[in-house]
Amino acid sequence: GESVGLHLPTLSVQEGDNSIINCAYSNSASDYFIWYKQESGKGPQFIIDIRSNMDKRQGQRVTVLLNKTVKHLSLQIAATQPGDSAVYFCAEKAPGKLIFGQGTTLQVKP
Amino acid sequence: GAVVSQHPSRVICKSGTSVKIECRSLDFQATTMFWYRQFPKQSLMLMATSNEGSKATYEQGVEKDKFLINHASLTLSTLTVTSAHPEDSSFYICSARDVAGTYEKLFFGSGTQLSVL
Repeated sequence: GESVGLHLPTLSVQEGDNSIINCAYSNSASDYFIWYKQESGKGPQFIIDIRSNMDKRQGQRVTVLLNKTVKHLSLQIAATQPGDSAVYFCAEKAPGKLIFGQGTTLQVKP
Repeated sequence: GAVVSQHPSRVICKSGTSVKIECRSLDFQATTMFWYRQFPKQSLMLMATSNEGSKATYEQGVEKDKFLINHASLTLSTLTVTSAHPEDSSFYICSARDVAGTYEKLFFGSGTQLSVL
């Protein structure tokens, strides 16, 4: 569901390590999900998406996993780089709109 | 790639004044545009959905007379914050969906930081 009023959790990782960012969604009927990256003072950027008929999808350095049983999404970033520092949001498709999840701040330590 | 241009990027205004934010799709036709609000360190909250040529659909709790949305063409939507007050200070973001209607092709503007004094 929507996360208005909740402050974003923070994940701190060492440069070169893998990052795993998690997201819970609310509607078991949702059939499409997107991960976005948002840098400070900018709009969200599309990273990767997944449909509900899949449980895993890979992109360049990123993998999204979908567990429909527990309504959980994760974004894995391999070999995290300083440029990956940002806020990451999952979004689920609802009828006619996208609903954003809580978001996680990723901090990459050099 | 497709670009959504949002202006202004930052605006400071006095309490009681109105502020207009523009959202333009530069190289595609956007039949639907979405307006979000984002408070510091929080998620994006959908305010309203606007379809070209028709009235906007507002989310529950969003005052339509306070946040006026106009989507008069396939490339332009505007959000006007009327009689702005300090509690309206926020980051406003628009997004546009192309005529194919797919969410894979949902593009976001760069946002407008509104500060009401």
